[in-house]
Amino acid sequence: AQSVAQPEDQVNVAEGNPLTVKCTYSVSGNPYLFWYVQYPNRGLQFLLKYITGDNLVKGSYGFEAEFNKSQTSFHLKKPSALVSDSALYFCAVRDASSNTGKLIFGQGTTLQVKP
Amino acid sequence: SAVISQKPSRDICQRGTSLTIQCQVDSQVTMMFWYRQQPGQSLTLIATANQGSEATYESGFVIDKFPISRPNLTFSTLTVSNMSPEDSSIYLCSVSTGTRISTDTQYFGPGTRLTVL
Repeated sequence: AQSVAQPEDQVNVAEGNPLTVKCTYSVSGNPYLFWYVQYPNRGLQFLLKYITGDNLVKGSYGFEAEFNKSQTSFHLKKPSALVSDSALYFCAVRDASSNTGKLIFGQGTTLQVKP
Repeated sequence: SAVISQKPSRDICQRGTSLTIQCQVDSQVTMMFWYRQQPGQSLTLIATANQGSEATYESGFVIDKFPISRPNLTFSTLTVSNMSPEDSSIYLCSVSTGTRISTDTQYFGPGTRLTVL
């Protein structure tokens, strides 16, 4: 069965410091991986995805994520956090063999960036 | 990407009643999906809305409780029937705009926040 784990309910960083939001996954086949962000009272916004190719994926708002097949991880990173990055972040996975489009989401990680 | 709107944005309903949520997209899309986000929880797929045919439901979700319509390529509705407080959630519509479902990005609407008393 497919699953996604985000081991941290909350991550706290100071503005200007690098941030990492962790994600590990489990799929039977090859994974397609996604990161979304949810601001209060808003829908999910797409940040980036890994399908194939370079393991380091760059996305919106300066975010990037690194696919690590051996560790089955897809951690979200940003070199310098902004207060406006404070939000709820979701990692999601889809099995490459899927013909349904179904995404499996992690539990979410709240990022708090303090001035 | 796509611009997705949902109506209503929020509602407070009495138990035993039904609510229909609308999802409108600004362009024709191949796939539309309905997700539920229970308070403090992650997102769970309810069903895939298929244009011109019945929706495909995930395990644990049934058509009698969550009837779905998709009359065309830009519009879908989700009805939450015979509501109970356990149905209090955010309901999100999402769309896939490409032709290769396995690699396509899903874009989400703003959600409908439902509270059942």
